[in-house]
Amino acid sequence: DSGVTQTPKHLITATGQRVTLRCSPRSGDLSVYWYQQSLDQGLQFLIQYYNGEERAKGNILERFSAQQFPDLHSELNLSSLELGDSALYFCASSLSVDRGNNEQFFGPGTRLTVL
Amino acid sequence: EDKVVQSPLSLVVHEGDTVTLNCSYEVTNFRSLLWYKQEKKAPTFLFMLTSSGIEKKSGRLSSILDKKELSSILNITATQTGDSAIYLCAVESGNDMRFGAGTRLTVKP
Repeated sequence: DSGVTQTPKHLITATGQRVTLRCSPRSGDLSVYWYQQSLDQGLQFLIQYYNGEERAKGNILERFSAQQFPDLHSELNLSSLELGDSALYFCASSLSVDRGNNEQFFGPGTRLTVL
Repeated sequence: EDKVVQSPLSLVVHEGDTVTLNCSYEVTNFRSLLWYKQEKKAPTFLFMLTSSGIEKKSGRLSSILDKKELSSILNITATQTGDSAIYLCAVESGNDMRFGAGTRLTVKP
């Protein structure tokens, strides 16, 4: 158990809908990262927040957005969902803002299925 | 475009064998290379290699970064069935973090 929690574990929805995935980082960690893992694209970095502010953006679609709240939990919002958005969405956390020099701890993931 | 390539994609060995997994990269502004083990769900961290730490070892696992060849290897000695997993390599560069497709290792008893 990494100490990172994600809800829900599974989510099934229809195309065109909007969903919100939630992540609580490990106690004391200030950085939160979101990743998408699909069969054809592998694991992809989406976005990083540090202490409430966006710090880095990877391969995140414009239909997706995220935020980190004062209590440091984070939400990933996915809108106008398409079949191709079906994937496992991971949240990870780390102590500092420096992605290149500190270990990230991954949550168990949310499996999103878009029908 | 930044690229991380792992090889082989799949590997089947028997308990006690030694394996070497490869990761090569082409990225701008390299900062670090990380190895993860992914069994059923979430990746778990193994090693981080940077310019100031190009060799790491933990028990039967070890990893080396070759900045000249833009590559890294992950060695596992005396493999056990519990080592069966997908091993992911990721490279941190500037604003992005790129993962390779992974190597699926199966260790047979």
